[in-house]
Amino acid sequence: DVKVTQSSRYLVKRTGEKVFLECVQDMDHENMFWYRQDPGLGLRLIYFSYDVKMKEKGDIPEGYSVSREKKERFSLILESASTNQTSMYLCASSPRGTQYFGPGTRLTVL
Amino acid sequence: GQNIDQPTEMTATEGAIVQINCTYQTSGFNGLFWYQQHAGEAPTFLSYNVLDGLEEKGRFSSFLSRSKGYSYLLLKELQMKDSASYLCALPSGGYNKLIFGAGTRLAVHP
Repeated sequence: DVKVTQSSRYLVKRTGEKVFLECVQDMDHENMFWYRQDPGLGLRLIYFSYDVKMKEKGDIPEGYSVSREKKERFSLILESASTNQTSMYLCASSPRGTQYFGPGTRLTVL
Repeated sequence: GQNIDQPTEMTATEGAIVQINCTYQTSGFNGLFWYQQHAGEAPTFLSYNVLDGLEEKGRFSSFLSRSKGYSYLLLKELQMKDSASYLCALPSGGYNKLIFGAGTRLAVHP
């Protein structure tokens, strides 16, 4: 079974804090993705990575950065959290075709 | 560009049949995915259609018409546990990226 894990299920941060969200997959997948999910807007792609140290912007990269130093680990960084970044963050990995999702991190920025 | 439309909400009765529609526009078709997402949980893969017609998988079936830009998910013998959001998704560019519809929230009542 493919397993994708995320570092926290719930997180509360203050405006201006630096936030790290971590995602780990155990199936040696090349491709990893970070999405945010908001009511009525569906899943929107923030960044993705197709190999170690390789990253590409998705549809809404502003205010975010990513890091992929090891194949199994893909981190999402909010350099200075803002209230409009309150959302559900979902990580996914994919060998080919379908994507496998982690359980999500519900981030609240106060 | 690509665009996906799904109804926002549907309700159905336990034991009944429900059809969830998805219409799409895309410049190059490479298949269509359906995912199920229970509230507060990660999306999980349901089906992938690349050829026209109906594919049956237990109580769930998925239909595709490429010429009409149309797909539907058919859920039979509805159970309370089928209450969830159903997401339609298209491959978008390389690296197994997906673009998701906003999802259809299905409520099954006794």
